[in-house]
Amino acid sequence: QSALTQPRSVSGSPGQSVAISCTGTNSDVGGYDYVSWFQQHPGKAPKFMIFDVSKRPSGVPDRFSGSKSGNTASLTISGLQADDEADYYCCSYAGADSIIFGEGTRLTVL
Amino acid sequence: EVQLVESGGGLVQPGGSLRLSCVASAFRISNYAMNWVRQAPGKGLEWVSSISDSGGNIKYAGSVKGRFIISKDDSKNTLFLQMNSLRVEDTALYYCAKAELGWLTERIDHWGQGTPVTVSS
Repeated sequence: QSALTQPRSVSGSPGQSVAISCTGTNSDVGGYDYVSWFQQHPGKAPKFMIFDVSKRPSGVPDRFSGSKSGNTASLTISGLQADDEADYYCCSYAGADSIIFGEGTRLTVL
Repeated sequence: EVQLVESGGGLVQPGGSLRLSCVASAFRISNYAMNWVRQAPGKGLEWVSSISDSGGNIKYAGSVKGRFIISKDDSKNTLFLQMNSLRVEDTALYYCAKAELGWLTERIDHWGQGTPVTVSS
C-alpha cells in the first residue's frame, strides 16, 4: 500500500494562509472520515493536530483547520507563524484495520 | 503527563533480531490501543503495527508481517516489538505511539521520542 500523496513542500509568509493536500483513494481517504494530521519539527516526535478530518484536539490553535473533498483531504494553516515551519503528515484509516500515512510536506515560513 | 519511553534499539546485522520496549506512564495501556510507527532517515512516517486495548486485535503492515511481533504486558504498562529477520530497509527511528481509542485508529495522540534501529553488516 503506497503512502498518501502530499506535495513535497509549500511555503508562505507570516500572516498568510497555506493549504496542504493529501490525496488517497476510495479505500482510504475517500472511504472514511478518519483523517488525522501531524506536525513534526526537526528532531522531534510528531504532534497530533487534527482528527476525524476537521476536529482539533484540545490545545491546538484554531488557525489549524482540516477538510476533505472526495479522495483529497486538506490542512489549512492561517495566520502563519514562524513556529509553524515544520513537516506535516496526513494519516488515514485504510480499512482492514490498517492506517496509512502521507509522504509528508515541508512547510517553510518565508 | 502522558509519557512514552522507548528502548532496545541498536545496530544489528541483516537477519538478526531486536526487541523494542516502550514504558508508558500517566495512563494504562490496557485502556487504549498502542502502535509502533517508524521513520527511516530523512523519510516519512510508516505505520508498523497496532495492538488493541484488550490485546485481542493485532495488525501489521505488510512490510513487516511474519517478521515482527507486537505484544504488551499490562501489569508493567509496557509495549513490546519483537523484530526478527531484520533487513537493511528496516533501518529507522521506531516510535511508540498511543491511540486515543481502544482500537486501531489514525487518532494517535501521544508519541515517544523514538529508539533508533540500524540494520547493517
